[in-house]
Amino acid sequence: KAGVTQTPRYLIKTRGQQVTLSCSPISGHRSVSWYQQTPGQGLQFLFEYFSETQRNKGNFPGRFSGRQFSNSRSEMNVSTLELGDSALYLCASSVAPANTEAFFGQGTRLTVV
Amino acid sequence: KQEVTQIPAALSVPEGENLVLNCSFTDSAIYNLQWFRQDPGKGLTSLLLIQSSQREQTSGRLNASLDKSSGRSTLYIAASQPGDSATYLCAVLDGQNFVFGPGTRLSVLP
Repeated sequence: KAGVTQTPRYLIKTRGQQVTLSCSPISGHRSVSWYQQTPGQGLQFLFEYFSETQRNKGNFPGRFSGRQFSNSRSEMNVSTLELGDSALYLCASSVAPANTEAFFGQGTRLTVV
Repeated sequence: KQEVTQIPAALSVPEGENLVLNCSFTDSAIYNLQWFRQDPGKGLTSLLLIQSSQREQTSGRLNASLDKSSGRSTLYIAASQPGDSATYLCAVLDGQNFVFGPGTRLSVLP
């Protein structure tokens, strides 16, 4: 069965622009979480969606937002990009929010110049 | 606030050795603990999931244990191979989200 699909795999954007990343979870999974990975901070939680509702949000500025559609696909948006937003953005899907195994996608590598 | 640490930060061993990676967490109120591997520039591959009520899980050459009361988990890799070279991350699910450790970078030399 297909895994978690993230698109695009690579992005280069200019400071001040905005970007939208997409995540398609495993079929039947309704929970999607987003993480940011940087060399300095490691993996940090951005937000989690379940049944189109945001359940939790990490400690990131309001420039980071997301949503989930009725087919469980999720998007995250970053507005007014800063150099420090350069990172690998990972999406994880699971059947339900807690107590179930999480599966990650290959990530989107965002470079802000 | 949950904090996760991993020891050692890096490890280099010759092929065939058995090895142990350590993970510690500060708050024992967790739902589960999951071990992942990450190859350079890639996403995370799930290795083992241990529910909070379990003590250990095994998959092939991998065995993970969990001691919630002491806030520790270990990942045991038997008969290591060069293909095991990667960064190994442990993550605890504390009901809100995964909290990740910084990882152990493993190199298995042929």
